[in-house]
Amino acid sequence: DIQMTQSPSSLSASVGDRVTITCRASQSISFYLHWYHQKLGKAPNLLIYAASSLQSGVPSRFSGRGSGTDFTLTISNLQPEDFATYYCQQSYTSPFTFGPGTKVEI
Amino acid sequence: EVQLVESGGGLVQPGGSLRLSCAASGFTFSSYGMNWVRQAPGKGLEWVSYISNGRSTILHADSVKGRLTISRDNAKNLLYLQMNSLRDEDTAVYYCARGGVPSDYHYMDGWGKGTTVTVSS
Repeated sequence: DIQMTQSPSSLSASVGDRVTITCRASQSISFYLHWYHQKLGKAPNLLIYAASSLQSGVPSRFSGRGSGTDFTLTISNLQPEDFATYYCQQSYTSPFTFGPGTKVEI
Repeated sequence: EVQLVESGGGLVQPGGSLRLSCAASGFTFSSYGMNWVRQAPGKGLEWVSYISNGRSTILHADSVKGRLTISRDNAKNLLYLQMNSLRDEDTAVYYCARGGVPSDYHYMDGWGKGTTVTVSS
């Protein structure tokens, strides 16, 4: 199975900050990497698919980059509603594993 | 608007069975692959199962193979997860999630609110 790691596991930030989260795969997954965020007690929500494609309706302050094994999610101009846990997910091969999550808090 | 509503969760003893359902609306259900994803209390997300729109492709996580089975009824816009031989570690919120397009990208672009399964004696 492909293992996904994320760093940092948590971070503290302020409104207006630029935040970058890193996701690494245990083997090359091409561009089959997707990003979600999840607020406490809510369902996850898709932000970025295929490493860098912004999901419809998602604000442009979210951006994704990377291919192969190393990927980043950047949130520019952090907003109050962005405080959540962020997960990456690979879909290069089954099982479609998620990273352990990065909690973004104030 | 994509709407997915899960049901069927509850308390079940170890070794017991449960069938989860997910009612889909707001999109052409028969055109999309579907997934089940779960989240144990205080833990991260775990992908469980995938079924393609026409049922030709079915995938399961190793941790559930032989015990949890995904299926769908396109005429009724329903997704199912039959859960047998349940274990304590199956305790989780189970989310129904729509597969994105193209289908082989296997991302999930719509999620239900989840249904809670608790396995305990």
